[in-house]
Amino acid sequence: DAGITQSPRHKVTETGTPVTLRCHQTENHRYMYWYRQDPGHGLRLIHYSYGVKDTDKGEVSDGYSVSRSKTEDFLLTLESATSSQTSVYFCAIAGGGFFGNTIYFGEGSWLTVV
Amino acid sequence: GIQVEQSPPDLILQEGANSTLRCNFSDSVNNLQWFHQNPWGQLINLFYIPSGTKQNGRLSATTVATERYSLLYISSSQTTDSGVYFCAVGGSEKLVFGKGTKLTVNP
Repeated sequence: DAGITQSPRHKVTETGTPVTLRCHQTENHRYMYWYRQDPGHGLRLIHYSYGVKDTDKGEVSDGYSVSRSKTEDFLLTLESATSSQTSVYFCAIAGGGFFGNTIYFGEGSWLTVV
Repeated sequence: GIQVEQSPPDLILQEGANSTLRCNFSDSVNNLQWFHQNPWGQLINLFYIPSGTKQNGRLSATTVATERYSLLYISSSQTTDSGVYFCAVGGSEKLVFGKGTKLTVNP
């Protein structure tokens, strides 16, 4: 199994509070992703990173920011959480290049905004 | 952007039956992957298959890139095959996911 750890795994927070989800990998893979999964929508890309300090937006990036200061860590921040951000958040990694494009997922973080 | 459609949306089988899941996409891609999400939410990569055919045990997949579709075959299904199967397509950096096929295998 790919070495991907998400934290926290479960969180309940109040509307308007900031929340940070952490993704940590031990594979030294270049690409890291944050997806959200909601009923009826499948998995949608929020942001992704193609290297340290190199990030780009996905299809549902409004209300989210990311940072990647080290190869192994990719942080997703909700600056001011809203109820519409209640979701399951998945981190994923891919090696690219020599490692190929196969994507591996973390176990997910369940976030509830009340 | 790329549109991904999976069919059927739901599928119920008896253990031992075979099935075919389909993924259609709207544009040329150089990256296509199939995933299985088990009932506990874990997402497992099944195949990286931008073209051609691959097999892994009872599962096999075929992608016809020129006709913009991919098929996932499950033979002799088992209850552990239950879950949602996702197709994801795109380029070298990011993928767009379909909404999945929910498979239920009854004993």
